[in-house]
Amino acid sequence: AQRVTQPEKLLSVFKGAPVELKCNYSYSGSPELFWYVQYSRQRLQLLLRHISRESIKGFTADLNKGETSFHLKKPFAQEEDSAMYYCALSDYSGGGADGLTFGKGTHLIIQP
Amino acid sequence: EAQVTQNPRYLITVTGKKLTVTCSQNMNHEYMSWYRQDPGLGLRQIYYSMNVEVTDKGDVPEGYKVSRKEKRNFPLILESPSPNQTSLYFCASSLLPSSYNEQFFGPGTRLTVL
Repeated sequence: AQRVTQPEKLLSVFKGAPVELKCNYSYSGSPELFWYVQYSRQRLQLLLRHISRESIKGFTADLNKGETSFHLKKPFAQEEDSAMYYCALSDYSGGGADGLTFGKGTHLIIQP
Repeated sequence: EAQVTQNPRYLITVTGKKLTVTCSQNMNHEYMSWYRQDPGLGLRQIYYSMNVEVTDKGDVPEGYKVSRKEKRNFPLILESPSPNQTSLYFCASSLLPSSYNEQFFGPGTRLTVL
């Protein structure tokens, strides 16, 4: 069974400091990994996905298959980054219709 | 504007009183899904639908029903709500029946069952 682990429920850093939100997964196939973000009182939205290898709002995430990790990083945190972040895994097995498996989320607080 | 809408946004009800939470998307997406979000548990999938008249159970389907009579609508039905179904519910849709594609989420429905 696939599983996503976000070990930190809460992460607090100062503005301008580097941020790293950890995500580890267990899955035997070829997973697709995503990061979703939920700002206060807003809907959940996609932040980035590993397949795109993109940087959104200064965030990047690299899939490390050896360590089964997909940590989210940003070199300089901004106050508007304060939000709930969810790591998610999808079973893309060429026809599967499984939903996303989410981690429990990390609440990121950026202090001024 | 491309979006997923849910109604109602907030609902307080009593145990055993049937309710329906509607979900609608205007993006012609085939895949739709319902999640519940609980503190400390994150998001868990309740039901999903690959296309019209095709639905299947997610991780936590007990106590819920869904239907997909039209492509754009995917209502969540609680026949006899119980207090443990108090939660924040999200509907989501994506273009193809695989969550490899980005899922677009609705604004959420906060349900309280007394």
